[in-house]
Amino acid sequence: EDKVVQSPLSLVVHEGDTVTLNCSYEVTNFRSLLWYKQEKKAPTFLFMLTSSGIEKKSGRLSSILDKKELFSILNITATQTGDSAIYLCAVEAAGNKLTFGGGTRVLVKP
Amino acid sequence: EAGVTQSPTHLIKTRGQQATLRCSPISGHTSVYWYQQALGLGLQFLLWYDEGEERNRGNFPPRFSGRQFPNYSSELNVNALELEDSALYLCASSQTIGAGGYEQYFGPGTRLTVT
Repeated sequence: EDKVVQSPLSLVVHEGDTVTLNCSYEVTNFRSLLWYKQEKKAPTFLFMLTSSGIEKKSGRLSSILDKKELFSILNITATQTGDSAIYLCAVEAAGNKLTFGGGTRVLVKP
Repeated sequence: EAGVTQSPTHLIKTRGQQATLRCSPISGHTSVYWYQQALGLGLQFLLWYDEGEERNRGNFPPRFSGRQFPNYSSELNVNALELEDSALYLCASSQTIGAGGYEQYFGPGTRLTVT
């Protein structure tokens, strides 16, 4: 059975701090790994990673995938209160099915 | 460009009833996915439709079913509702099937409460 594990479960930081979120996976027929941000309801798409070692960046967020060790990290630098959310990691396997991790709840305090 | 839309926003049903949830994908997307997010649990894959056909199904009983219409919108039907069906149901859409690699974009969800 496909499995995605995220850590930590939650963390509290102050504005300006850097956070690193972890995602490890065991999936048959891996296609891609995706990161989403969920604030209230709809998860919003952040990144899709398919190749090892290639960092994707969007503003203060960046992510990288290691297909050999089966994990990904999501970094957020210079955090702001608007970064407070649940960050979801999902792995896409054959059949277009996304298997989600349990998420990491991030709280950024002013 | 309009995103994925879902209706209704909230739905309250009693045990044993049927619930119908609706989803309209982003224009140009032909694949629609349904996920369940129950309290304390992560997002669980329910169903995937593309070009009107069910392409994949998660580990849910047959009373969870759906369909996709010619305009690519989709319905999720849940029959014989049980209390544990109470959850946020999220719909997502993506471009056409193929070798994968298309990100899924999510709608705002329908909160189903079964009493």
